Amino acid sequence: DIVMTQSPLSLSVTLGQPASISCRSSQRLVHNNGNTYLIWFHQRPGQSPRRLIYEISNRDSGVPDRFSGSGSGTDFTLKISRVEAEDVGVYYCMQAIEWPRTFGQGTKVEIK
Amino acid sequence: EVQLLESGGALVQPGGSLRLSCAASGFTFSNYAMSWVRQAPGKGLEWVSGITGNGINTFYADSVKGRITISRDNSKSTLYLQINSLRAEDTAVYYCVKDYYCTGSICSLIDYWGQGTLVTVSS
Repeated sequence: DIVMTQSPLSLSVTLGQPASISCRSSQRLVHNNGNTYLIWFHQRPGQSPRRLIYEISNRDSGVPDRFSGSGSGTDFTLKISRVEAEDVGVYYCMQAIEWPRTFGQGTKVEIK
Repeated sequence: EVQLLESGGALVQPGGSLRLSCAASGFTFSNYAMSWVRQAPGKGLEWVSGITGNGINTFYADSVKGRITISRDNSKSTLYLQINSLRAEDTAVYYCVKDYYCTGSICSLIDYWGQGTLVTVSS
């Protein structure tokens, strides 16, 4: 199984400051079609997870452009350029290149 | 509008069984692989099981293999999860997830989640 490792596991950020979350996979996530199936989700307390970014860097509709994804191969990063209050919660990376799907441990973001 | 509506969660005694359902609408259900993902209280997300659009191929996490069966009825646009020999560690919110569908090199991936249904295993 592919192991997904996130860091840090928690992040305390001042409003308006940037934040960065790392995700590493134990295997490359590149499909035969050339696409990389790395996804980022955000889960607010008491809510279902919501997809933010797919295929490393594609933002979902309605996701603010302060969120960006980058990386390649086995190393990926989610960045928030200026953290806002609504960004609190837990962020997960996930691989969808193969079964079983696997998630990172989650990174809890709170406001300092 | 895509909707995934889970049901069937309950308080169950250890050793018991439960069948969860997920009624899907707003997309061509039979085209999409589907998954179940669970989240124990205060813990992270754990993928549990998946099934291809035609129902032929099924996949399970090692932690549940042998106790869980995923199935689907494409005529009813409904996904199921049968859980047997329930243990305390199965206590979690179970989410139904629209997994993937690819046309050529364009894939739609893990884009919708249901609201979840709570399974509590306790005596």
